[in-house]
Amino acid sequence: GAVVSQHPSRVICKSGTSVKIECRSLDFQATTMFWYRQFPKKSLMLMATSNEGSKATYEQGVEKDKFLINHASLTLSTLTVTSAHPEDSSFYICSAAGVGTEAFFGQGTRLTVV
Amino acid sequence: GDSVTQMEGPVTLSEEAFLTINCTYTATGYPSLFWYVQYPGEGLQLLLKATKADDKGSNKGFEATYRKETTSFHLEKGSVQVSDSAVYFCALSDLPGGSYIPTFGRGTSLIVHP
Repeated sequence: GAVVSQHPSRVICKSGTSVKIECRSLDFQATTMFWYRQFPKKSLMLMATSNEGSKATYEQGVEKDKFLINHASLTLSTLTVTSAHPEDSSFYICSAAGVGTEAFFGQGTRLTVV
Repeated sequence: GDSVTQMEGPVTLSEEAFLTINCTYTATGYPSLFWYVQYPGEGLQLLLKATKADDKGSNKGFEATYRKETTSFHLEKGSVQVSDSAVYFCALSDLPGGSYIPTFGRGTSLIVHP
């Protein structure tokens, strides 16, 4: 089956710094990628959808200047959490889909802002 | 749009008990269905999946059958272990033609006592 890899799996950063999370499709071309966030003891919330080469479409309530999404190639999308604060600490997961295929999920990234 | 409904947790069982975690879905297209497991402090791991009606996904003693007539994908295990304690997420990913946005259920926490 298709493989989606996220990196890093865990990251700790200082408040005020920016953190970049990568999502790669290893064996297929991902025309669409999705980014989710999991709040403590809650389900995963869709943050944004991105198509390769286009600007991401953000869900209501998600700050686009805070969570920068870049989908510059068919195998890589990045989520950058800018000026991170402790309330941004969370679990982030990406999902990638190719043309005419269902989406496959990465393993997630645990972000802790101290 | 597409949606996934899981039974409320936590589910608390004794070791070697039979497990069922219910999952039903709503989709306009022809989704693939997934179960993910999240162990404490870790990311999501794909547990099993099924891509078409009547398919049975299985892994590590867990299994789930894609039931189109009841729009269900219930997770079962014949004899749970303490190490199975985790949060389980049901998810679907629709093909183009449906809403196409990968969707997670809210998660069901499983606690297994010795």
